[in-house]
Amino acid sequence: DIQMTQSPSTLSASVGDRVTITCRASRSITNCLAWYQQKPGKVPKLLIYEASSLESGVPSRFSGSGSGTEFTLTISSLQADDFATYYCQQCSSPAWTFGQGTKVEIQ
Amino acid sequence: DVHLSESGGGLVQPGGSLRLSCAASGFAFSTNVMNWVRQAPGKGLDWVSSISATGRTTFNAGSVKGRFTISRDNSRNTLYLEMNSLRAEDTAIYFCARAPSERLVGARVYFDSWGQGTLVTVSS
Repeated sequence: DIQMTQSPSTLSASVGDRVTITCRASRSITNCLAWYQQKPGKVPKLLIYEASSLESGVPSRFSGSGSGTEFTLTISSLQADDFATYYCQQCSSPAWTFGQGTKVEIQ
Repeated sequence: DVHLSESGGGLVQPGGSLRLSCAASGFAFSTNVMNWVRQAPGKGLDWVSSISATGRTTFNAGSVKGRFTISRDNSRNTLYLEMNSLRAEDTAIYFCARAPSERLVGARVYFDSWGQGTLVTVSS
């Protein structure tokens, strides 16, 4: 199975900050990567698919990049609504594995 | 709007069985890959099982292989997960999730719509 590793595990930031989360795959997944946002007690929400495509309705401050084994999710200007846990997921081959998550906290 | 509604969770003893259901509406259910993803209390997301649009192809996580069976009834717009030989480590919220593809083999499987989940607790 492809292993997905996110860093950092926790990130403290302030409203207005630029935030970057990294996700690494144990082998190349080309651009087959998705990012999700999950707030406490809520259902995960798809943000980005195919590494850089923004899901409909997701604010443009979210962006994704990368290919092969290294990927990033960037929030250009953190808003209060963005404090949550973010997960990457490889969509290349079964098992469709997730990263362990990155919790974005208020500094 | 896409709507996915899980049911069937509950408390079960180790070694027991449960059958989860996911009722789908708001889209052409028979044209999408469907999936189960779980989340143990306070933990991350864990893919469990997937089934192609026709139901002919399935994949399961290694941790549930031989114990869990995914199936679907396209005439009833319903997805199922039959869970046998349950263990304490299967305790989790089980989410039903849609993928924007029809097939599994060679496809890009990610999850664009999720249900609210149903809690399965395995404990004596």
